[in-house]
Amino acid sequence: DAGVTQSPTHLIKTRGQQVTLRCSPKSGHDTVSWYQQALGQGPQFIFQYYEEEERQRGNFPDRFSGHQFPNYSSELNVNALLLGDSALYLCASSWDRGVYGYTFGSGTRLTVV
Amino acid sequence: AQSVTQLGSHVSVSEGALVLLRCNYSSSVPPYLFWYVQYPNQGLQLLLKYTTGATLVKGINGFEAEFKKSETSFHLTKPSAHMSDAAEYFCAVTFDRGSTLGRLYFGRGTQLTVWP
Repeated sequence: DAGVTQSPTHLIKTRGQQVTLRCSPKSGHDTVSWYQQALGQGPQFIFQYYEEEERQRGNFPDRFSGHQFPNYSSELNVNALLLGDSALYLCASSWDRGVYGYTFGSGTRLTVV
Repeated sequence: AQSVTQLGSHVSVSEGALVLLRCNYSSSVPPYLFWYVQYPNQGLQLLLKYTTGATLVKGINGFEAEFKKSETSFHLTKPSAHMSDAAEYFCAVTFDRGSTLGRLYFGRGTQLTVWP
């Protein structure tokens, strides 16, 4: 049984560009959350999707947006990239809104130059 | 406000020695607590969790943690360290109610080094 799958694994973008990251949740999971992990830091919550709606949002600007599809997969979009957006972006899925824990993907390493 | 504090950004132990990684939390409602491990260039793997019931919880790879409400702590221990335990460890808290349902609040992490 595949776990959480993220693509791409690595990405290099230029300041001002836009990027889309993709996530396929673990089979049976209906909740997807996205986290940003800067180097040497703990993951920071971006937002949570459940039933194709954004249910919660962390302290991130509107440049960060997302989507959840009927098959529960999800996308994270970041517009007008800044150097400070360079980080590991983690997707996590759960069946219980995340209360009992998430399964994490291996992440997408985004470098903005 | 909810928060997690991990005391010690780096912990070094010898192989076979006790591992103790400290975690304290702050919350206004009963917490659900987690320890995750992260190996280089990988995502996070769940080690163990406390939701309700027994306060001493056992996880994978011989790790365990004890929820102490009076001390607002959830320290991670392992009796005997192995070289393969070297990794970054994150403590996290979430809640089963309210506007932050299921949102994980992470500590800054503790890098565990195991010496031969």
